[in-house]
Amino acid sequence: NAGVTQTPKFRVLKTGQSMTLLCAQDMNHEYMYWYRQDPGMGLRLIHYSVGEGTTAKGEVPDGYNVSRLKKQNFLLGLESAAPSQTSVYFCATGQGTRNDIQYFGAGTRLSVL
Amino acid sequence: GENVEQHPSTLSVQEGDSAVIKCTYSDSASNYFPWYKQELGKGPQLIIDIRSNVGEKKDQRIAVTLNKTAKHFSLHITETQPEDSAVYFCAARASGGSYIPTFGRGTSLIVHP
Repeated sequence: NAGVTQTPKFRVLKTGQSMTLLCAQDMNHEYMYWYRQDPGMGLRLIHYSVGEGTTAKGEVPDGYNVSRLKKQNFLLGLESAAPSQTSVYFCATGQGTRNDIQYFGAGTRLSVL
Repeated sequence: GENVEQHPSTLSVQEGDSAVIKCTYSDSASNYFPWYKQELGKGPQLIIDIRSNVGEKKDQRIAVTLNKTAKHFSLHITETQPEDSAVYFCAARASGGSYIPTFGRGTSLIVHP
């Protein structure tokens, strides 16, 4: 039982390159979330999904796209990476019940040069 | 939308002392208040949560108090140990709609042996 798995763990990109971050969960949770964590800024929501085939924008969605083709996977894409997207990215899942506990992955550290 | 303020941003204590982290929220409709602990290099993990119909909740050395009138809630850690050193995040979530919490900016707790 792996819980929430993020790949890759580290990545270095050049400005303008694209990449996809993968989040996989084996908890059968409906809700999945992508956050970015920057020093002094806490956790900011990028996009989220309330179920297979759905996506919605969070607080800071610009420059990112997401897809939830399968219930267990939530992909975060950067089409043209910018230095401002240097951050640590966390995926989280939740049941979507009234008092929702979120389960976080270990994070992906991304540097854009 | 909801706004969560968290203080202090850094807290340094001696082993055995108590630590208190405070959060305020703006949306009176918020009814669920989780606290997450993030150890170095890992994702956040829920340590305790409280619902709006309860004023206090304890779990061994940690406790959370909630003052709905003043719209603030606090995390209390007693008899701190070096393994309590981590970043702590508070969050608030309103009832209804999507299960999306708003996070505070985090408190870095350092427990000196």
